[in-house]
Amino acid sequence: GENVEQHPSTLSVQEGDSAVIKCTYSDSASNYFPWYKQELGKGPQLIIDIRSNVGEKKDQRIAVTLNKTAKHFSLHITETQPEDSAVYFCAASRRDSSYKLIFGSGTRLLVRP
Amino acid sequence: KAGVTQTPRYLIKTRGQQVTLSCSPISGHRSVSWYQQTPGQGLQFLFEYFSETQRNKGNFPGRFSGRQFSNSRSEMNVSTLELGDSALYLCASSPGTPVGEQYFGPGTRLTVT
Repeated sequence: GENVEQHPSTLSVQEGDSAVIKCTYSDSASNYFPWYKQELGKGPQLIIDIRSNVGEKKDQRIAVTLNKTAKHFSLHITETQPEDSAVYFCAASRRDSSYKLIFGSGTRLLVRP
Repeated sequence: KAGVTQTPRYLIKTRGQQVTLSCSPISGHRSVSWYQQTPGQGLQFLFEYFSETQRNKGNFPGRFSGRQFSNSRSEMNVSTLELGDSALYLCASSPGTPVGEQYFGPGTRLTVT
């Protein structure tokens, strides 16, 4: 069935360092891969996404890479700041006629000042 | 533009009761999806509505149902509540066509006692 695995479950980095979160998906028909940031007491916030016809996408300090052959995609955050501390979720979806997202289990990122 | 709004934000119910949660999508968005978030199961897709029609449904029992109105607002209903239904229920809105990003609301925290 459809499944997305996410690693690590927790990640602690020093302010200014980089953080990398990795996900693997099982459904080869998936072609849309968003990343969400969830802060305490809030709903998930879309921070970046990538479609299967693109290998990499950047937005300031955040980048996402996709390897369709290996069914891997990763989130890279550079120059981390304390406000980056949150839970990050990857997700995968078939962009057919529905918006069903399959989520990873989440990564709790702590950025130490 | 105003974001996705969900009401109520918090709810306490007793086992066996039923509950209705409401979601107002971003203005102009025609698709509304619902997700359940629990510490044990993570984020799981419940169903998605587009133009008042259910386009996709997750693996939840028939006690979970939903509907969408002509103004794109959506409600979900859970009947015969069980303790395990305690969760954060999240609504996400999307433009609908072409298939695009999903934006989440703050969620409704349901506690079943």
